[in-house]
Parts: sequence; C-alpha cells; structure tokens
Amino acid sequence: ETGVTQTPRHLVMGMTNKKSLKCEQHLGHNAMYWYKQSAKKPLELMFVYNFKEQTENNSVPSRFSPECPNSSHLFLHLHTLQPEDSALYLCASSQEVTQFSGNTIYFGEGSWLTVV
Amino acid sequence: GENVEQHPSTLSVQEGDSAVIKCTYSDSASNYFPWYKQELGKRPQLIIDIRSNVGEKKDQRIAVTLNKTAKHFSLHITETQPEDSAVYFCAAFRGGTYKYIFGTGTRLKVLA
Repeated sequence: ETGVTQTPRHLVMGMTNKKSLKCEQHLGHNAMYWYKQSAKKPLELMFVYNFKEQTENNSVPSRFSPECPNSSHLFLHLHTLQPEDSALYLCASSQEVTQFSGNTIYFGEGSWLTVV
Repeated sequence: GENVEQHPSTLSVQEGDSAVIKCTYSDSASNYFPWYKQELGKRPQLIIDIRSNVGEKKDQRIAVTLNKTAKHFSLHITETQPEDSAVYFCAAFRGGTYKYIFGTGTRLKVLA
C-alpha cells in the first residue's frame, strides 16, 4: 500500500541539528495531518492542513514547524529538539470534513525519531 | 475537555474466544467513531467505523456498537485468531473540526 508515504523511516539527530520529515499522499485527499505517537500515550494530534491552510495547531512547541506546499505534500521541520521529542511521527490524510461527519484518515508508516 | 478513555489497556484471550474493547468519550458533539489496528512496527489501519446515526455495525468477525446516551462505543472481535494480536485504538471525531481524539490503545494478545 503506497497511499501515504513518509521519509525518512528512521532519523537520529542531535539537539542542535535541523532536519525535516516528509510526507506525500497519493489518495487525492485535501486534508493532511501530523500525529505524534509516544509509548503508553494516545496518538497526539499536532497539526492539520486543509487545502494547504493550517486549520489546527494543537499547542505544539515552535521547534516543530510544519509546511504544506500543496495538498499532496506535508513537511515537519525540526530544530533544537529535546530528547523527550523522541517518538514515532505519523503523517495522515483524509478527504475534507464537513460539519456533520468525519472521514477516514489514512496513516503513513511513520518516521521514528530519536533525539540524542 | 475532549477526552476518550479506552479499556482495558491489555487483553489476553484464547484463540477462538471473543474480545471486547470499550471506549468512552466526553464530547457530545462527536459523530464519527473509527477503530484502528496497529501491528508492531506498522501504521494504524482502519478496521471498522460507525457514525452517530447508527447503533451497530458488523463486518465479518468484527462489530462495533455505539450508545450515544451513555457516550460509549465498543469493539467486538469474535472467533479470535493469532493474527488479531495487535494494538487497537478507538477515536472520536467532531464534525466540522479536524480533531480525532484517540484512546490510549489496547494491546490484544490472542494465545494459540
């Protein structure tokens, strides 16, 4: 299944590094998401973009900077991260939502991030 | 605030038995409730979902029930098989927003 692809799959970075995670969806969707998955915690919504516009920023620290150049691509720029930011970062996409119903979100395989 | 509680956190069943996972949500405006299965090292994948205008939905060995009054919904897996072993997440979604609130997950182990 190649609906939502993420690169890199694994990333180790120092606290002073700058790196980026990339996500691409081939499903014709208009909404894209970044989620953080840590051990023993629920999936945490970070950002949502709908038609390239950011519609949700779930109080994410500024060391995480998203970018959505078009409806098919989503980036997460990382700068001066902390060890506690180590986690699996999942990208997802869906059709745009309406006032009355949600739509299925499709996840990528995730990028395992380790901050040392 | 928005919250989804999921229980149990771990569940072990014998192969062939049934498994039930329950979630409770707090936002009465939630109207869509998907369930995801995540195998080790893989992405979460949708296995079944239910909308607020339906009380029950079934797909082969998997079923979901929704009680809007009590604000809870449950996943039922019958005739469990070893390949059902995974982490299962419930979620609640509020229409008009982009917020899916996920439960903390249930690690299901099906013992052969």
